Amino acid sequence: AQTVTQSQPEMSVQEAETVTLSCTYDTSESDYYLFWYKQPPSRQMILVIRQEAYKQQNATENRFSVNFQKAAKSFSLKISDSQLGDAAMYFCAYRNSGNTPLVFGKGTRLSVIA
Amino acid sequence: DTGVSQNPRHKITKRGQNVTFRCDPISEHNRLYWYRQTLGQGPEFLTYFQNEAQLEKSRLLSDRFSAERPKGSFSTLEIQRTEQGDSAMYLCASSFPGPGQPQHFGDGTRLSIL
Repeated sequence: AQTVTQSQPEMSVQEAETVTLSCTYDTSESDYYLFWYKQPPSRQMILVIRQEAYKQQNATENRFSVNFQKAAKSFSLKISDSQLGDAAMYFCAYRNSGNTPLVFGKGTRLSVIA
Repeated sequence: DTGVSQNPRHKITKRGQNVTFRCDPISEHNRLYWYRQTLGQGPEFLTYFQNEAQLEKSRLLSDRFSAERPKGSFSTLEIQRTEQGDSAMYLCASSFPGPGQPQHFGDGTRLSIL
């Protein structure tokens, strides 16, 4: 079974600085998708960024980018120019290319310090 | 697009009672998912539908749990004879078909068992 590991339960970053959240996963598949979701306190989970395993180019969405290392099964999220609104739980998630459900990590709580 | 809607937002009930939650997905989405999230954990998959067909159920979904999606629109999740361990946030998500399609989440229903 696939597993997703987020080794940092909590992280903090100064406003306007850069922070990197770690994620590793375990799979024997070669084709799959990886996601980062953000869950603000008492608010709904929203998609931050998505990576397709067959694409070598790292995905980027404005201030959010990933470092996808397929051989190492690593999928870290970099947040540049951190803002107060970035404070949230961040979940890394994995999905096979078949009709399988998302598998989530335990999350990393990010605090942004003004 | 009004997003995924879940009702109620909070449910408090006594152990042994039955509860039912409702999810209204984004209207164009034919995939609908239920997840359970406990404190300090990422969401765990329970079941999903494509249109009205329930295609997969997790082993987490004991025989006290039942989910329906009549007519392929809204879905209900019922828990019979609730137990303390059922206390959690129940999340609903919807998407277009395809493994790379992002899932859009509702605000969740928080269940507390007294």
